[in-house]
Amino acid sequence: QQPVQSPQAVILREGEDAVINCSSSKALYSVHWYRQKHGEAPVFLMILLKGGEQKGHDKISASFNEKKQQSSLYLTASQLSYSGTYFCGTEIIDEKLTFGTGTRLTIIP
Amino acid sequence: DGGITQSPKYLFRKEGQNVTLSCEQNLNHDAMYWYRQDPGQGLRLIYYSQIVNDFQKGDIAEGYSVSREKKESFPLTVTSAQKNPTAFYLCASSIEDRGSQPQHFGDGTRLSIL
Repeated sequence: QQPVQSPQAVILREGEDAVINCSSSKALYSVHWYRQKHGEAPVFLMILLKGGEQKGHDKISASFNEKKQQSSLYLTASQLSYSGTYFCGTEIIDEKLTFGTGTRLTIIP
Repeated sequence: DGGITQSPKYLFRKEGQNVTLSCEQNLNHDAMYWYRQDPGQGLRLIYYSQIVNDFQKGDIAEGYSVSREKKESFPLTVTSAQKNPTAFYLCASSIEDRGSQPQHFGDGTRLSIL
């Protein structure tokens, strides 16, 4: 079951904040967040687990609402290097990690 | 430095030809994965392997085959049965096949039809 990401694309000025959302129609065991720059490998940002544990980047924050079956990634004081496409991957019990279609973030000076 | 190496970076396939994409990791990870990425569709799982000498089909395995004879290697063959092979192919690995573990990706292979 593919998660739904929103927005599909966002343009920010350097220093502005952004929130990227990821929602599922089923109960989640874990949510992964990755960033991919064009033509490059996705880079791991964060994992959020059912029960509240988080693993990942110390400059990026995220939330995991188990009841609403959704996660949000918070990018504060955005830098030019934050540009790229952000993917969430969701894991449902007994199913493999499934990725959303991505949110394209563009930071302009 | 540890990591995942995919080769070649670009590959061209003729009609009726099988081609093999290489994926090697020196992270000592048990689990390895192959994904296909098309524009606007995110990453879709082709095959995965939880341990050496074992692998399972993912969501879009038709027209593809894999082997896992060594822990560090997980090559993907795109067969002539795959009618639309043009895509960006990503290999990944993780310590173990659990949702609590991050996946580490290679730089990808871009496959096109001649």
